[in-house]
Amino acid sequence: AQRVTQPEKLLSVFKGAPVELKCNYSYSGSPELFWYVQYSRQRLQLLLRHISRESIKGFTADLNKGETSFHLKKPFAQEEDSAMYYCALTPAGNMLTFGGGTRLMVKP
Amino acid sequence: NAGVTQTPKFRVLKTGQSMTLLCAQDMNHEYMYWYRQDPGMGLRLIHYSVGEGTTAKGEVPDGYNVSRLKKQNFLLGLESAAPSQTSVYFCASSYLPVWGTQYFGPGTRLLVL
Repeated sequence: AQRVTQPEKLLSVFKGAPVELKCNYSYSGSPELFWYVQYSRQRLQLLLRHISRESIKGFTADLNKGETSFHLKKPFAQEEDSAMYYCALTPAGNMLTFGGGTRLMVKP
Repeated sequence: NAGVTQTPKFRVLKTGQSMTLLCAQDMNHEYMYWYRQDPGMGLRLIHYSVGEGTTAKGEVPDGYNVSRLKKQNFLLGLESAAPSQTSVYFCASSYLPVWGTQYFGPGTRLLVL
């Protein structure tokens, strides 16, 4: 069965610093990968997905099949980026498997 | 459009009581999902539906039942609540399977004493 691991429960950085939220997965095939975000008092929403190769709010994520990782990066963190971030994958549609989440705190 | 709505927002149950959580979406989505969110464990899929009249088990279906009698509604039932079912429950819907975006509801916080 597939598994998604986010090794950091909490990541704290200063405004303007680079951010990298780690995501590792285990799946023998070629999954599709996503990052979802939940801002305070807001609903969980899609941030980006690998298939579309978009850059949303300055965030990017590169799929590294060799290391089975899909880390989320942003060169300069903003205070409004503070949120809960979830990495997720689907092997073939229908079911998303989520990681445990990482809380990002961006300090002024 | 209201998007995905969930009723109720918060509920306290005693062990053994039953209840139904209602999820409604007004986006004409075929696919609907129920997740539970627990600290450190992310979201885990309970049940899902690929269309009106269909349901399927997800990762953690035990202790829950679902029904999708109307396309816009997806009900999650707890027949005999247990403290282990204390959680935040999220409903989501999507037009396509997970290749497309899943739209989430605001969540229902359930406490089972």
